[in-house]
Amino acid sequence: EVQLVESGGGLVKPGGSLTLSCAASGFTFSTYSMNWIRQVPGKGLEWVSLISRSSNYIYYVDSVKGRCTISRDNAKNSLYLQMTSLRADDTAVYYCARVAEMDGAYMDVWGKGTTVTVSS
Amino acid sequence: QSVLTQPPSVSAAPGQRVTISCSGNSSNVGNNYVSWYQQLPGTVPKLLIYDNNKRPSGIPDRFSGSKSGTSATLGISGLQTGDEADYYCGTWDTRLSAWVFGGGTDLTVL
Repeated sequence: EVQLVESGGGLVKPGGSLTLSCAASGFTFSTYSMNWIRQVPGKGLEWVSLISRSSNYIYYVDSVKGRCTISRDNAKNSLYLQMTSLRADDTAVYYCARVAEMDGAYMDVWGKGTTVTVSS
Repeated sequence: QSVLTQPPSVSAAPGQRVTISCSGNSSNVGNNYVSWYQQLPGTVPKLLIYDNNKRPSGIPDRFSGSKSGTSATLGISGLQTGDEADYYCGTWDTRLSAWVFGGGTDLTVL
Protein backbone atom coordinates (compact mmCIF):
# COMPACT_ATOMS: atom_id res chain seq x y z
CA GLU A 1 0.00 0.00 0.00
CA VAL A 2 1.31 3.43 -0.94
CA GLN A 3 1.61 5.42 2.26
CA LEU A 4 3.05 8.61 3.70
CA VAL A 5 3.28 9.04 7.45
CA GLU A 6 4.27 12.36 8.98
CA SER A 7 5.71 12.80 12.44
CA GLY A 8 7.54 15.34 14.54
CA GLY A 9 4.80 17.86 15.14
CA GLY A 10 4.13 19.30 18.55
CA LEU A 11 3.92 22.38 20.71
CA VAL A 12 6.84 24.77 20.41
CA LYS A 13 7.44 28.28 21.69
CA PRO A 14 7.79 31.23 19.33
CA GLY A 15 11.34 31.37 18.05
CA GLY A 16 11.80 27.67 18.57
CA SER A 17 12.66 24.92 16.12
CA LEU A 18 11.12 21.67 14.98
CA THR A 19 11.92 19.01 12.40
CA LEU A 20 9.10 17.20 10.66
CA SER A 21 9.57 13.81 9.05
CA CYS A 22 7.60 11.93 6.44
CA ALA A 23 8.13 8.20 6.03
CA ALA A 24 7.23 6.82 2.63
CA SER A 25 6.35 3.22 1.85
CA GLY A 26 4.80 1.16 -0.91
CA PHE A 27 6.49 2.97 -3.80
CA THR A 28 9.94 3.87 -5.10
CA PHE A 29 10.48 7.05 -3.12
CA SER A 30 13.56 8.16 -5.05
CA THR A 31 11.59 8.51 -8.29
CA TYR A 32 9.18 11.15 -6.99
CA SER A 33 9.46 14.80 -6.09
CA MET A 34 7.83 15.61 -2.77
CA ASN A 35 5.94 18.53 -1.29
CA TRP A 36 5.15 19.87 2.15
CA ILE A 37 1.75 21.57 2.38
CA ARG A 38 0.17 23.09 5.46
CA GLN A 39 -3.32 23.96 6.53
CA VAL A 40 -4.49 26.09 9.40
CA PRO A 41 -7.58 24.37 10.85
CA GLY A 42 -10.64 25.76 9.15
CA LYS A 43 -8.57 27.50 6.47
CA GLY A 44 -7.26 26.65 3.03
CA LEU A 45 -4.24 24.72 1.78
CA GLU A 46 -0.88 26.47 1.60
CA TRP A 47 2.05 24.95 -0.25
CA VAL A 48 5.26 25.20 1.76
CA SER A 49 8.10 23.55 -0.10
CA LEU A 50 9.05 21.16 -2.90
CA ILE A 51 12.12 18.99 -3.36
CA SER A 52 12.95 17.15 -6.57
CA ARG A 53 13.87 13.48 -6.79
CA SER A 54 17.59 13.98 -6.35
CA SER A 55 17.33 17.17 -4.30
CA ASN A 56 18.62 19.15 -7.26
CA TYR A 57 15.68 21.52 -7.21
CA ILE A 58 14.23 23.00 -4.03
CA TYR A 59 11.57 25.68 -3.72
CA TYR A 60 9.89 27.44 -0.80
CA VAL A 61 6.93 29.71 -0.25
CA ASP A 62 8.17 33.21 0.52
CA SER A 63 6.87 33.15 4.10
CA VAL A 64 9.24 30.34 5.13
CA LYS A 65 12.32 31.19 3.08
CA GLY A 66 15.35 31.45 5.33
CA ARG A 67 13.52 29.69 8.18
CA CYS A 68 12.76 26.25 6.73
CA THR A 69 14.92 23.65 5.04
CA ILE A 70 13.47 20.74 3.10
CA SER A 71 15.58 17.65 2.62
CA ARG A 72 15.23 13.97 1.82
CA ASP A 73 17.07 10.72 2.35
CA ASN A 74 16.24 8.40 -0.49
CA ALA A 75 18.05 5.53 1.20
CA LYS A 76 15.71 5.87 4.17
CA ASN A 77 12.60 6.69 2.10
CA SER A 78 12.18 9.80 4.16
CA LEU A 79 11.37 13.47 3.68
CA TYR A 80 12.14 16.19 6.21
CA LEU A 81 11.26 19.79 6.97
CA GLN A 82 13.48 21.64 9.41
CA MET A 83 11.72 24.68 10.77
CA THR A 84 13.44 27.42 12.78
CA SER A 85 12.43 30.82 14.14
CA LEU A 86 8.90 29.52 14.37
CA ARG A 87 6.07 32.04 14.56
CA ALA A 88 2.45 31.80 15.62
CA ASP A 89 1.36 31.88 11.99
CA ASP A 90 3.30 28.68 11.35
CA THR A 91 0.68 26.87 13.43
CA ALA A 92 -0.98 24.37 11.11
CA VAL A 93 -1.36 20.77 10.11
CA TYR A 94 1.59 19.87 7.91
CA TYR A 95 1.07 17.31 5.15
CA CYS A 96 3.64 15.67 2.97
CA ALA A 97 2.44 14.81 -0.52
CA ARG A 98 3.87 12.88 -3.42
CA VAL A 99 4.24 14.72 -6.72
CA ALA A 100 3.18 12.66 -9.69
CA GLU A 101 3.89 13.81 -13.21
CA MET A 102 2.08 12.99 -16.40
CA ASP A 103 1.59 15.95 -18.69
CA GLY A 104 1.67 18.19 -15.64
CA ALA A 105 2.51 17.80 -11.97
CA TYR A 106 -0.01 17.05 -9.27
CA MET A 107 -0.17 15.58 -5.77
CA ASP A 108 -1.59 12.10 -5.86
CA VAL A 109 -0.78 10.75 -2.39
CA TRP A 110 -1.10 12.68 0.86
CA GLY A 111 -0.16 11.77 4.39
CA LYS A 112 -2.53 12.24 7.30
CA GLY A 113 -0.58 15.21 8.58
CA THR A 114 1.21 16.25 11.73
CA THR A 115 0.16 19.24 13.81
CA VAL A 116 2.52 22.06 14.67
CA THR A 117 1.41 24.52 17.32
CA VAL A 118 3.52 27.59 18.00
CA SER A 119 2.49 29.19 21.26
CA SER A 120 4.02 30.51 24.44
CA GLN B 1 -5.12 36.37 -0.68
CA SER B 2 -4.66 33.29 -2.84
CA VAL B 3 -2.97 33.48 -6.22
CA LEU B 4 -5.80 31.42 -7.71
CA THR B 5 -9.32 32.73 -7.23
CA GLN B 6 -12.20 30.41 -6.37
CA PRO B 7 -15.69 31.26 -5.15
CA PRO B 8 -15.80 30.78 -1.36
CA SER B 9 -18.96 28.70 -1.56
CA VAL B 10 -21.40 27.12 -3.96
CA SER B 11 -24.58 25.20 -3.35
CA ALA B 12 -27.06 23.13 -5.29
CA ALA B 13 -29.71 20.51 -4.73
CA PRO B 14 -29.13 16.77 -4.85
CA GLY B 15 -29.04 15.49 -8.40
CA GLN B 16 -28.17 18.89 -9.84
CA ARG B 17 -24.91 19.96 -11.46
CA VAL B 18 -22.55 22.55 -10.05
CA THR B 19 -19.41 24.16 -11.37
CA ILE B 20 -16.51 25.65 -9.44
CA SER B 21 -14.24 28.14 -11.14
CA CYS B 22 -10.52 28.70 -10.63
CA SER B 23 -9.09 31.87 -12.09
CA GLY B 24 -5.40 32.61 -12.47
CA ASN B 25 -3.05 34.20 -14.96
CA SER B 26 -0.60 33.31 -17.68
CA SER B 27 2.13 32.29 -15.24
CA ASN B 28 0.02 29.62 -13.58
CA VAL B 29 -3.31 28.34 -14.97
CA GLY B 30 -2.67 29.79 -18.41
CA ASN B 31 0.47 27.78 -19.05
CA ASN B 32 0.43 24.87 -16.63
CA TYR B 33 -1.80 21.93 -15.94
CA VAL B 34 -4.42 22.28 -13.22
CA SER B 35 -5.37 19.71 -10.62
CA TRP B 36 -8.32 19.63 -8.25
CA TYR B 37 -8.52 18.26 -4.71
CA GLN B 38 -11.49 17.29 -2.58
CA GLN B 39 -11.32 17.57 1.18
CA LEU B 40 -14.23 15.97 2.95
CA PRO B 41 -14.87 17.26 6.49
CA GLY B 42 -12.18 16.10 8.87
CA THR B 43 -10.18 14.29 6.21
CA VAL B 44 -7.03 14.66 4.15
CA PRO B 45 -7.18 16.27 0.69
CA LYS B 46 -7.70 13.79 -2.12
CA LEU B 47 -6.78 14.12 -5.77
CA LEU B 48 -9.91 14.52 -7.89
CA ILE B 49 -8.73 15.77 -11.28
CA TYR B 50 -5.24 16.08 -12.77
CA ASP B 51 -3.86 17.44 -16.03
CA ASN B 52 -6.90 19.74 -16.33
CA ASN B 53 -9.43 17.03 -17.09
CA LYS B 54 -8.21 13.54 -16.17
CA ARG B 55 -9.69 11.47 -13.39
CA PRO B 56 -7.61 9.11 -11.25
CA SER B 57 -8.90 5.59 -11.05
CA GLY B 58 -11.78 5.35 -8.62
CA ILE B 59 -13.06 8.87 -9.20
CA PRO B 60 -16.56 8.68 -10.72
CA ASP B 61 -17.25 10.35 -14.04
CA ARG B 62 -19.67 12.69 -12.28
CA PHE B 63 -16.52 14.76 -11.67
CA SER B 64 -15.03 16.58 -14.65
CA GLY B 65 -12.46 19.25 -15.29
CA SER B 66 -11.81 21.74 -18.04
CA LYS B 67 -9.56 24.67 -18.74
CA SER B 68 -9.80 27.64 -21.04
CA GLY B 69 -7.17 30.34 -21.09
CA THR B 70 -6.41 31.42 -17.54
CA SER B 71 -9.45 29.78 -15.96
CA ALA B 72 -10.20 26.22 -14.98
CA THR B 73 -13.50 24.69 -13.99
CA LEU B 74 -14.49 21.69 -11.91
CA GLY B 75 -17.89 20.23 -12.70
CA ILE B 76 -19.84 17.89 -10.46
CA SER B 77 -23.03 16.37 -11.79
CA GLY B 78 -25.62 14.22 -10.06
CA LEU B 79 -24.81 15.89 -6.76
CA GLN B 80 -24.94 13.74 -3.66
CA THR B 81 -24.86 14.77 -0.02
CA GLY B 82 -21.57 12.91 0.23
CA ASP B 83 -20.04 15.45 -2.15
CA GLU B 84 -20.23 18.15 0.52
CA ALA B 85 -16.60 19.14 0.93
CA ASP B 86 -14.03 21.80 0.29
CA TYR B 87 -12.61 21.80 -3.23
CA TYR B 88 -9.23 23.27 -4.15
CA CYS B 89 -7.58 23.93 -7.48
CA GLY B 90 -3.81 23.95 -7.75
CA THR B 91 -1.03 24.38 -10.26
CA TRP B 92 2.60 25.42 -10.61
CA ASP B 93 3.31 29.11 -10.97
CA THR B 94 6.26 29.59 -13.30
CA ARG B 95 6.91 33.23 -12.34
CA LEU B 96 6.77 32.57 -8.59
CA SER B 97 8.54 29.19 -8.85
CA ALA B 98 5.94 27.98 -6.40
CA TRP B 99 2.96 25.70 -6.26
CA VAL B 100 -0.22 27.71 -5.80
CA PHE B 101 -3.66 26.73 -4.56
CA GLY B 102 -6.99 28.44 -4.82
CA GLY B 103 -8.58 29.58 -1.59
CA GLY B 104 -10.99 26.68 -1.65
CA THR B 105 -14.71 26.37 -2.32
CA ASP B 106 -17.14 25.01 0.22
CA LEU B 107 -19.77 22.92 -1.56
CA THR B 108 -23.15 22.55 0.12
CA VAL B 109 -25.68 20.08 -1.23
CA LEU B 110 -29.01 21.47 -0.07
